[in-house]
Amino acid sequence: GQNIDQPTEMTATEGAIVQINCTYQTSGFNGLFWYQQHAGEAPTFLSYNVLDGLEEKGRFSSFLSRSKGYSYLLLKELQMKDSASYLCAVRSGGYNKLIFGAGTRLAVHP
Amino acid sequence: DVKVTQSSRYLVKRTGEKVFLECVQDMDHENMFWYRQDPGLGLRLIYFSYDVKMKEKGDIPEGYSVSREKKERFSLILESASTNQTSMYLCASSSLLAPYNEQFFGPGTRLTVL
Repeated sequence: GQNIDQPTEMTATEGAIVQINCTYQTSGFNGLFWYQQHAGEAPTFLSYNVLDGLEEKGRFSSFLSRSKGYSYLLLKELQMKDSASYLCAVRSGGYNKLIFGAGTRLAVHP
Repeated sequence: DVKVTQSSRYLVKRTGEKVFLECVQDMDHENMFWYRQDPGLGLRLIYFSYDVKMKEKGDIPEGYSVSREKKERFSLILESASTNQTSMYLCASSSLLAPYNEQFFGPGTRLTVL
């Protein structure tokens, strides 16, 4: 079957670093996406990994290990505005179909 | 900037009504998708379309149909709304020309079926 697991909730302190993990088991793999979704808003694209390793984009980095079916999103220098849900999604099969995890709700407190 | 718009942010309908949710994208994207988002379940794919008049079932198509008569517009139809279709509905589009072929999402329609 198809399964993507990520923690339901996390909390962190402003200025700190947080790592959100995602493990997946899918019948195919053609890339992994991370999206950010603020409450009541549309998900917005954060990062994409298709090869093993780390992709860095400012305060956000994403890591992929295809052999382990594992990814993480690293957020540095946390700000209050980073309080949001973070969605892990795997592209599997044709037509750019994505399979989403249930999302991780991150609360950043002062 | 890519813009995906949805016809309503909030909608309240009665059981048995026929419901139309409209989605429009302005970037000539080939692919369009309809998801529903429920707490604890994440986004689940209902239907998608890879070209005008073409449609494919997603993971949970039962109780839904779609229409894509023009490239920019993708409609989701609830033939006879039921209370278990109360949910947040998200439309997305994507293009092979985008750097990662990432999906761009609309703001969502929160549908309540009474």
